[in-house]
Amino acid sequence: GEDVEQSLFLSVREGDSSVINCTYTDSSSTYLYWYKQEPGAGLQLLTYIFSNMDMKQDQRLTVLLNKKDKHLSLRIADTQTGDSAIYFCAESRGPGGYQKVTFGTGTKLQVIP
Amino acid sequence: DVKVTQSSRYLVKRTGEKVFLECVQDMDHENMFWYRQDPGLGLRLIYFSYDVKMKEKGDIPEGYSVSREKKERFSLILESASTNQTSMYLCASSPSFGTAYEQYFGPGTRLTVT
Repeated sequence: GEDVEQSLFLSVREGDSSVINCTYTDSSSTYLYWYKQEPGAGLQLLTYIFSNMDMKQDQRLTVLLNKKDKHLSLRIADTQTGDSAIYFCAESRGPGGYQKVTFGTGTKLQVIP
Repeated sequence: DVKVTQSSRYLVKRTGEKVFLECVQDMDHENMFWYRQDPGLGLRLIYFSYDVKMKEKGDIPEGYSVSREKKERFSLILESASTNQTSMYLCASSPSFGTAYEQYFGPGTRLTVT
């Protein structure tokens, strides 16, 4: 079955860049996502990338996809204390309608002032 | 803004009790989901529904059932709560159309079964 793996914890200093990594196993994955969960809240979509793209940039966020290695990363530039949260990688096979989304285990990002 | 609300933020129940978790969304979404979130395991899909009165099992449906009588409301039922169902429960909804598949999440219900 599908599997999405992430490291559980990452600690960075404020102002540094954070890189959160994810690997997935389903070669049929078409959409790959990064969700953010702040303390006491539900998940919120940060960004997504379509599988025929290598990179997507959105302000401080850069998503890199290596489809050959099934590796996805999220880089947060100039990390702030407000970026402290759990980040979930996720994948699905297609857009719209019902598509099962498989979530990773989540990476807890701690930003040290 | 899409809003997904859950009936309780915290709930404490005893083993064997019947438990109802309610979820309401206000964006006329077709799809609704129930997940449980456990440390080190991420989110696991319990049940989902793509239309009123329709339901499909997710990855871990055992010990749970669901009800969707109205489009905006999706209920998760624990027929006889057990301690291994102590967890954070997250509800989500999504539209059926669009170029990306974003799910909108509620704030979660932390259930403790004693």
